[in-house]
Amino acid sequence: AQKITQTQPGMFVQEKEAVTLDCTYDTSDPSYGLFWYKQPSSGEMIFLIYQGSYDQQNATEGRYSLNFQKARKSANLVISASQLGDSAMYFCAMREGTGGGNKLTFGTGTQLKVEL
Amino acid sequence: DSGVTQTPKHLITATGQRVTLRCSPRSGDLSVYWYQQSLDQGLQFLIQYYNGEERAKGNILERFSAQQFPDLHSELNLSSLELGDSALYFCASSDRLEGVTGNEQFFGPGTRLTVL
Repeated sequence: AQKITQTQPGMFVQEKEAVTLDCTYDTSDPSYGLFWYKQPSSGEMIFLIYQGSYDQQNATEGRYSLNFQKARKSANLVISASQLGDSAMYFCAMREGTGGGNKLTFGTGTQLKVEL
Repeated sequence: DSGVTQTPKHLITATGQRVTLRCSPRSGDLSVYWYQQSLDQGLQFLIQYYNGEERAKGNILERFSAQQFPDLHSELNLSSLELGDSALYFCASSDRLEGVTGNEQFFGPGTRLTVL
């Protein structure tokens, strides 16, 4: 079974609108972390936001927020007031538990295109 | 700029050859991770080192090996290269071995390997 599922291969959004990128995860470990990364066409991976499984509140970082629904095992990224520079590939990733290092398991990504 | 450096940026080589990719982590980071991003496999964790010791292993081929040196830089060695090894290889670093909170990994710009 996929540990991280991103069902939207591509998304379009109008500039200044909000967009939600979906991510569901699968783990039986009670302790885990969820991450979102942005990969522009230049190729680098840029860390955006982190949510821990024990965090009571949804994470926010500027225009990025994470809609964490633990019971549904979803960790959707919300980008508010989209900008042209937000056009990129977005990856959801999970780190499970402790004792096994800190490896990240990534989803297949969502290509976001922001239009005028 | 994440503070993680990788050299070279691009590498073109032939099948059967051996190459070495180099990574310098962010100042103070003890953990180094290697990831492979290919069209076929997506983003995959290869291996993690913490303060010179191997701590976690992912889908790393036997033809691949890595090490972390006392100055904390790391090298990924790829030998007997095949066409399918063509990919973007990322190094990432974090400031601890593992943890429940935070511990985000910061990625370098990647080395794009092309095997002809």
